[in-house]
Amino acid sequence: SQQGEEDPQALSIQEGENATMNCSYKTSINNLQWYRQNSGRGLVHLILIRSNEREKHSGRLRVTLDTSKKSSSLLITASRAADTASYFCATDRETSGSRLTFGEGTQLTVNP
Amino acid sequence: NAGVTQTPKFQVLKTGQSMTLQCAQDMNHNSMYWYRQDPGMGLRLIYYSASEGTTDKGEVPNGYNVSRLNKREFSLRLESAAPSQTSVYFCASCRRDFNQPQHFGDGTRLSIL
Repeated sequence: SQQGEEDPQALSIQEGENATMNCSYKTSINNLQWYRQNSGRGLVHLILIRSNEREKHSGRLRVTLDTSKKSSSLLITASRAADTASYFCATDRETSGSRLTFGEGTQLTVNP
Repeated sequence: NAGVTQTPKFQVLKTGQSMTLQCAQDMNHNSMYWYRQDPGMGLRLIYYSASEGTTDKGEVPNGYNVSRLNKREFSLRLESAAPSQTSVYFCASCRRDFNQPQHFGDGTRLSIL
């Protein structure tokens, strides 16, 4: 079964607006990762946040993690049409190496 | 630098046929993975290989076998394909250190009639 649940399932915004996607999970984790998938392509890693971190930034991306609520959010600021993609959160419980459990994803559409 | 390469990109099989999906990575990663992605669902782990010489079952291993041929290559075999195995298959790799991201290939789109 899927560890993560993502909300919303689909999001449509205008260029320049911010997009926020949420992820909830069920068990304790070592890290949580966000990936992007463009149509017909593989997943691309965006950002990894460790369980002892609360917030992380990378360019226009901001990720927060609340381990007490078992939830994370991904904020994309000043969105562009090129940000149109599916976004997945994945949790990792492994202490050595990686074994990810993915959520079902959020389909983001950024309209020009 | 190719990253993770999957072959073939597309394949159509008849029920009962067998097939091997190939995956190779050139990043010197220890760990490799096979996932399937079905419409409306995230990726589900089929099998993984934490290091050369080891393989383990993931969430949905039934109907599949894997071979870690060497450090670079990890293949997925369907011995007797079934329509329920119609899916997009992704291979990934990563370093076997703590808190590492996975790197994905572009997938194999498999249809079983």
